[in-house]
Amino acid sequence: SQTIHQWPATLVQPVGSPLSLECTVEGTSNPNLYWYRQAAGRGLQLLFYSVGIGQISSEVPQNLSASRPQDRQFILSSKKLLLSDSGFYLCAGTSGPYEQYFGPGTRLTVT
Amino acid sequence: AQSVTQLDSHVSVSEGTPVLLRCNYSSSYSPSLFWYVQHPNKGLQLLLKYTSAATLVKGINGFEAEFKKSETSFHLTKPSAHMSDAAEYFCVVTDNNAGNMLTFGGGTRLMVKP
Repeated sequence: SQTIHQWPATLVQPVGSPLSLECTVEGTSNPNLYWYRQAAGRGLQLLFYSVGIGQISSEVPQNLSASRPQDRQFILSSKKLLLSDSGFYLCAGTSGPYEQYFGPGTRLTVT
Repeated sequence: AQSVTQLDSHVSVSEGTPVLLRCNYSSSYSPSLFWYVQHPNKGLQLLLKYTSAATLVKGINGFEAEFKKSETSFHLTKPSAHMSDAAEYFCVVTDNNAGNMLTFGGGTRLMVKP
């Protein structure tokens, strides 16, 4: 079965600093991969998805970017964090139809 | 286009009583539907899924949901709530498009009183 790993689990960063969140997938090959953000008390917002190496689609224009350097690696980045980037970031993946499997998430607090 | 409406943002039940979390969807195609559960500061865990087979779907931890096409509903139920069921629940739809794109409901927070 598929397992999604994310790190770090929590992160506190000052405004204007860079960001790199990593997601790796185990147990499958050529998955579709997704980054979501969940603001406090709200639902999930899809940020990026990728159907293959180097293929990134952005759903929401913002201060963030994503990259997929390897089949099972998905990275979320920012050059300069904003206060509004605070939230809970979830990586998900799927290698076939239907459901997505989620990682444990990263709690980002921008101060 | 597809959308999901979770009719209650908060539901409170007593331990041992039934749980009902309501979900209505709209989809242009034959959808697949899911319920996910999220405990505080954790990722989402799949509870159950409907993918055009049996309309009554059984999931983990005693939960089940019934797909009713005529009512465009996919309500989540459990006969007897347990304290450990307290969490956020998301109803999710996909129209089985090539990108496996999911549309999430706004979530329902389930509180279980002792």
